[in-house]
Formats: sequence, structure tokens, C-alpha cells
Amino acid sequence: AQSVSQHNHHVILSEAASLELGCNYSYGGTVNLFWYVQYPGQHLQLLLKYFSGDPLVKGIKGFEAEFIKSKFSFNLRKPSVQWSDTAEYFCAPRSYIPTFGRGTSLIVHP
Amino acid sequence: GAGVSQSPSNKVTEKGKDVELRCDPISGHTALYWYRQSLGQGLEFLIYFQGNSAPDKSGLPSDRFSAERTGGSVSTLTIQRTQQEDSAVYLCASSWVAGDYNEQFFGPGTRLTVL
Repeated sequence: AQSVSQHNHHVILSEAASLELGCNYSYGGTVNLFWYVQYPGQHLQLLLKYFSGDPLVKGIKGFEAEFIKSKFSFNLRKPSVQWSDTAEYFCAPRSYIPTFGRGTSLIVHP
Repeated sequence: GAGVSQSPSNKVTEKGKDVELRCDPISGHTALYWYRQSLGQGLEFLIYFQGNSAPDKSGLPSDRFSAERTGGSVSTLTIQRTQQEDSAVYLCASSWVAGDYNEQFFGPGTRLTVL
């Protein structure tokens, strides 16, 4: 069965700090990879996605993620976070049935 | 354009009662999903509708849970004989077509509290 693990459940950073959120999944077949974000009081929305090609993908608001097939990982990164990045982040690998990680709560202090 | 809408936004019920949660997907979206999010947990997949095909019910936690989608649009999730452990936020999402690569658009959720 497919599963996903997000390593960091709560992250607190100051503005301008760098961010990396870990995501590992377990599935041997073809997997499409997504990161979703939920800002306070808003709906879940897509941050970025990977299907094939360049393993480094860029999303909205300066976020990027790198797919490392050998490590079954799809870590989310941002070089310099802003207060407005405070949100809940979900890694969501998918092979037919969508699977979501537990989420990482990010708080960015101004 | 209108996004995914869900109603009610909040529902408080007593243990043992039945509840119905409604989802209106984005017009034209053929795929519809239901999830449950409990406090501190990720999204738990419940059921997946794809056009006119039989739904994938593999995520439903018990036979007290059921869902239907009428006319390929509106969907209702029904929980019979609610239990306290059913308390959670129930999220609905839709996408243009079924497929592993399609972005899901989420609704605001229904917060269910079972007393």
C-alpha cells in the first residue's frame, strides 16, 4: 500500500530563513507528486507538482521541490521565507488513490 | 468562477443520529473526492467518483459511511448512527478529469462534531 511520511510536523522560522520540508513515500510504481498548502482561513490549494522530466520543479510564491527517485523523496524548499508563508503544508504522492501526509505546520515570525 | 462549495460549514449532532454533508464541485469537473481530516492528522481518503463509473469506496472506514453523486455533479456523504470518533473536518475536492496528474480543487470543508 502507498504511504507518505512528512518528517517535520511543526517548524518555526524567522523571516529570510531557508526552508526545507521533508517528504518520503513508499510505492514502487509510477507516482505523481504534489505539494498542497493551506493558508490560515483558506482552502487547500496546489503549491507545485511533478509528473516527469526535470526533477526540480518550481511552484508558486518561490517554492520549489526536488524529486529524488532513488530516495523516494520529494522535499519542498524555499530559500527565504516570508511571514505570509505561515501555513500548513501537505505532501501528496498519488498513484490512482491520492495519499496525503500528516502535514507540516509552518510559522514564520516577522 | 465559483469554486467547490460544501454545506453545512459546521454541523453538531448527537451520537447515534444520521448526518448528510453536501458538496457542489466546480462545474465541468468529472472527478470528485471526499476526505476526512482529524485533528493533527493528514487527509484520509474516503471515496472517489469518476464520471459515470462506479465509485472507488476503498477508503470508507465502515458501512455507516456512504456517498452518492447525482447527475455527475452534486455529491452527498452520509454518516449513519454517528459516533464521537466521526468528529472531523470533511473535505470535498474535484478535478477536471480523473487521473493521477490532475490538480484537485478543494472546498472549505464541513466541521462535524458528534457529542
